[in-house]
Amino acid sequence: EAQVTQNPRYLITVTGKKLTVTCSQNMNHEYMSWYRQDPGLGLRQIYYSMNVEVTDKGDVPEGYKVSRKEKRNFPLILESPSPNQTSLYFCASSLYRPSGSSYNEQFFGPGTRLTVL
Amino acid sequence: AQSVTQLGSHVSVSEGALVLLRCNYSSSVPPYLFWYVQYPNQGLQLLLKYTSAATLVKGINGFEAEFKKSETSFHLTKPSAHMSDAAEYFCAVKGDSWGKLQFGAGTQVVVTP
Repeated sequence: EAQVTQNPRYLITVTGKKLTVTCSQNMNHEYMSWYRQDPGLGLRQIYYSMNVEVTDKGDVPEGYKVSRKEKRNFPLILESPSPNQTSLYFCASSLYRPSGSSYNEQFFGPGTRLTVL
Repeated sequence: AQSVTQLGSHVSVSEGALVLLRCNYSSSVPPYLFWYVQYPNQGLQLLLKYTSAATLVKGINGFEAEFKKSETSFHLTKPSAHMSDAAEYFCAVKGDSWGKLQFGAGTQVVVTP
C-alpha cells in the first residue's frame, strides 16, 4: 500500500531534550515536506526537500533541522525543543516534476502530536 | 505571495442539508487551488483540485467546488451532508516554491442528525 508513515504518532517530552520524528514514504517520491498544524493557523511549512541531500527552509524553520540522506526518509529533528513547538506535525511527499505549471498531488502522513512541557 | 482565507472556523449542518464552505484566495499568478479533508486522528486527504481546466471541479465523496476568478473564490459544496462528512476542511493554494501549499486556517464541520 502506498503510504507516508510517521513515528511516533504521539510524543510528550520536556524542554531541551533532543528528539527526532521520522517520516518514510514508499512511493519513490523525490519531494518531501514537513508542516506543523496549529489551531487557527492551518498548516505551515517547516522544511522541504527536492531530493536526496537537497533541503530548504519553509515558512517556520526556526528550532528545527532536517536531513535527507535517503530518498524514502525525511526525519525532523528538534535539537532543543521548547513549549512553543507543541503542535501537530505532518510529513508529506510527492513526485517532483518541475515543468512549468505542473502540479503533483501531495500525500500526507497520519501526523505526530508533540507536547513539550 | 499566495494566500487563502477560509470564512468560518466552525460550520454546523443538519444531515441532508447543503454543505457550503467558503474560501477566497489571493494570488499574483493563475492559482492552483485545493481542498483537503482531515478526519479525526488522520492525515490530510485531497478532496479536489483546480488546475486551470474546468472551473467546476468535482471531487471525491460528492463534493465539488467552483473557481470564480472575478470573486477570487473557490467555495466547496455538497448537496446533502452525511454524518461521515464531519471533519476539518482546508483550502490551500500552491505557494511560491514548487510543492509548497499555503493553507487556510481550516473549517470544522459538524453534522447533526
